[in-house]
Amino acid sequence: QVQLQESGPGLVKPSQTLSLTCTVSGGSISSGSYYWSWIRQPAGKGLEWIGRIYTSGSTNYNPSLKSRVTISVDTSKNQFSLKLSSVTAADTAVYYCARGVGYCSSWGQGTLVTVSS
Amino acid sequence: EIVLTQSPGTLSLSPGERATLSCRASQSVSSSYLAWYQQKPGQAPRLLIYGASSRATGIPDRFSGSGSGTDFTLTISRLEPEDFAVYYCQQYGSSPPRPWTFGQGTKVEIK
Repeated sequence: QVQLQESGPGLVKPSQTLSLTCTVSGGSISSGSYYWSWIRQPAGKGLEWIGRIYTSGSTNYNPSLKSRVTISVDTSKNQFSLKLSSVTAADTAVYYCARGVGYCSSWGQGTLVTVSS
Repeated sequence: EIVLTQSPGTLSLSPGERATLSCRASQSVSSSYLAWYQQKPGQAPRLLIYGASSRATGIPDRFSGSGSGTDFTLTISRLEPEDFAVYYCQQYGSSPPRPWTFGQGTKVEIK
């Protein structure tokens, strides 16, 4: 069974770039036809879809974040990554990575990222 | 972008009662690409329903999904203590490529 684990700095300064990695185990990130997604959740609030990358490498982003987001895959490390630039306090949230074929059937446990000086 | 509106915001019920949660889309969700998730405090969401009405692996049959077009429903036939949680709907149409969106959630709390 595939497992996902987020990693990265828990504290990022305003205006800097948030960088997170999702490590996939129990299966190859380049096999099958899956979407690999990032989703975030501010404390006490709902889920916000950030973007996805398909097995082919094509990406699709939330329009409200599109100008600041990049999602990429490193097949050699079986990882995919999120970069969010020019962060503000509004980007403070738990960030989840997930796998699915549209619906997300496998999720990481989530990692809290706080934006503060 | 398809906006999903869930109602009610909070549902106060007792164990053994029936829960009916609504998810309404601002435009038609293609091919019923609508999923439901359950989230408990401090945990990642768990997939319950996909394709509007198909239960995910290991999900008890007291959970059922229905609907099409713009109106979808998640029903929990008899609430168990472990069912008190927050529930989210998500649309995931991808052809042509489009953003995915989540509803704002419905909290099912113990009355």
